[in-house]
Amino acid sequence: QVQLVQSGAEAKKPGASVKVSCKPSGYPFVNYDVDWVRQAPGQGLEWMGWINPDSGSTAYAQKFQGRVTFTRDPSINTVFMELTSLTSADTAVYFCAREPRGHYSMDVWGEGTTVTVSS
Amino acid sequence: QSALTQPASVSGSPGQTVTFSCTGTSSDIGIYDYVSWYQQHPGKVPRLIIYDVTRRPSGVSDRFSGSKSGNTASLTISGLQAEDEGDYYCTSYTRRNTVIFGGGTKLTVL
Repeated sequence: QVQLVQSGAEAKKPGASVKVSCKPSGYPFVNYDVDWVRQAPGQGLEWMGWINPDSGSTAYAQKFQGRVTFTRDPSINTVFMELTSLTSADTAVYFCAREPRGHYSMDVWGEGTTVTVSS
Repeated sequence: QSALTQPASVSGSPGQTVTFSCTGTSSDIGIYDYVSWYQQHPGKVPRLIIYDVTRRPSGVSDRFSGSKSGNTASLTISGLQAEDEGDYYCTSYTRRNTVIFGGGTKLTVL
């Protein structure tokens, strides 16, 4: 079945970086974009950006420009989200989600990766 | 870019119809028919319930419907059920080639 499997929880110190992986399966890897969305504890959903796994092209929310990078490795059908210069405000659950190209909606979601930033 | 504006909470009794609003600008909802709605139960993964303003993914009940007028999109749930309780988020594609979320509305079924 269609699913996106994310890497496990991470605990980081302020100033560090985190890299989260997302491995889609059950559909052609290059046919759908992958979005990244985060949710801080008790807060709403926040869109971070997307990556086209075929071309590697990306788009980032202005808030994260310069601090987040999406990459992909087609040889292992995996996309990655790296966030640098972490602060406690980055403590959140990070979701990857499949986006049918041209609809700007997210129809299948990963289970989420909890990133905790604490000294 | 500011989030889309959603009311913090909405409530209704079983069987009733409730409507959620989602207000954007002429840079997002006002010029694109790419509004989506997501349902999220506590501790769970969000679920897509409406996309392209009015379309329902396979498996989503026809009690859920979407619409748009000007810079405001709406989600309507008819025949409210206890299982509908949760948080609802809207999104829109924007002129900056990005997606923006609303702040979310908490639905309470009385």
